[in-house]
Amino acid sequence: AQKITQTQPGMFVQEKEAVTLDCTYDTSDQSYGLFWYKQPSSGEMIFLIYQGSYDEQNATEGRYSLNFQKARKSANLVISASQLGDSAMYFCAMREGKGDTGRRALTFGSGTRLQVQP
Amino acid sequence: DSGVTQTPKHLITATGQRVTLRCSPRSGDLSVYWYQQSLDQGLQFLIQYYNGEERAKGNILERFSAQQFPDLHSELNLSSLELGDSALYFCASTRTSGIRETQYFGPGTRLLVL
Repeated sequence: AQKITQTQPGMFVQEKEAVTLDCTYDTSDQSYGLFWYKQPSSGEMIFLIYQGSYDEQNATEGRYSLNFQKARKSANLVISASQLGDSAMYFCAMREGKGDTGRRALTFGSGTRLQVQP
Repeated sequence: DSGVTQTPKHLITATGQRVTLRCSPRSGDLSVYWYQQSLDQGLQFLIQYYNGEERAKGNILERFSAQQFPDLHSELNLSSLELGDSALYFCASTRTSGIRETQYFGPGTRLLVL
């Protein structure tokens, strides 16, 4: 089974509107971390936001927030007030907590390509 | 700028050749992770080093190897290259391997095997 599933290969959003990028995950660990990264066309991987499995509040970082629903195993990224510069690939990733440190490498989803239209 | 540096940015080589990719982690970071991003496999973990020692292996081919030096920079060696090795290779670093530690990625090395 896929550990991280991003079901939206591509999304369009109008400038200044909000958009939600979906991510579901699968783990048997109680302790884990969820990350979102942005990859613009230039290729670099830019960290956006982190949510720990024991965090009681949803994470927020500026225009980025994470809608964390633990029981449903979902960690959706919400981008508010979209800007043209938000056009990029977005990856959801998980870091599991138990076992050897190899499991603390990130497991990535397949990504969602977001295009912001003027 | 993440503080992680990778050289070279681009590499073009031929099948059967050997190349070395270099990564310098952020100042103070002890752990280095290598990832490969290809069109068919997506982003996948290759290998991790922590303070000079190999800690974990992911989907790394036997033709590939890595090491981390006393100054904490790391090198990924790819040998007997095949067309399918063409990919973007990232390294990422963290201070420890703690669950909350964010991995900061370098700009990547884009490898093209012809």
